[in-house]
Amino acid sequence: EVQLVESGGGLVQPGGSLRLSCAASGFTFNTHWMSWFRQAPGKGLEWVGNINPEGSGSNYVDSARGRLSISRDNARNSLYLQMNSLRGDDTAVYYCFVHGRPPYWGQGTLVTVSS
Amino acid sequence: IVMTQTPLSSPVTLGQPASISCRSSQSLLHSDGNTYLSWLHQRPGQPPRLLIYEISNRFSGVPDRFSGSGAGTDFTLKISRVEAEDVGIYYCMQFTISLSFGQGTKVEIK
Repeated sequence: EVQLVESGGGLVQPGGSLRLSCAASGFTFNTHWMSWFRQAPGKGLEWVGNINPEGSGSNYVDSARGRLSISRDNARNSLYLQMNSLRGDDTAVYYCFVHGRPPYWGQGTLVTVSS
Repeated sequence: IVMTQTPLSSPVTLGQPASISCRSSQSLLHSDGNTYLSWLHQRPGQPPRLLIYEISNRFSGVPDRFSGSGAGTDFTLKISRVEAEDVGIYYCMQFTISLSFGQGTKVEIK
């Protein structure tokens, strides 16, 4: 059974940093593209960024580029989202997503950026 | 890829059919021959859940009143007979190129 479990969310001040983690199981992690997407309160779903199976290449939505960074540890079946220079509009539930057949995502972790 | 859903709001009568359309700004046919178009359903306070993947495949546990169709850039989700538990927001999603979502369609009971 595929499982994706996000962790690391919480309350952080504007300008602060946070690192989200996603523990993956039930599939061959090192052969799949992975993404993060998010949902701000009362809003729709927004892709944040992705990373290739080898971890050698990543892409980001314009609003995240330069501040958010995705990495992975294939030995630990884990995905990460390093979030720096956080802003109020980064407040959202963040989900880890596997590009699979079918696709899967986790239950999400809430990040709140507020002073 | 920009995903455009219509309608954005859909008042429906219990027991009656409902339909949501999704159009992509470019073809969702991947070079591997698959089309990575899915439909999601979200109830308030819950994460979205997968209903349909690769245009027409129902995910495990999804009732057969839900069906998906389409090809290329135009896709449709149909609910044959709406039940009370079907209210919420429906999203189309693609990951043929990167990952993107439609704006969402709110389904509510008349």
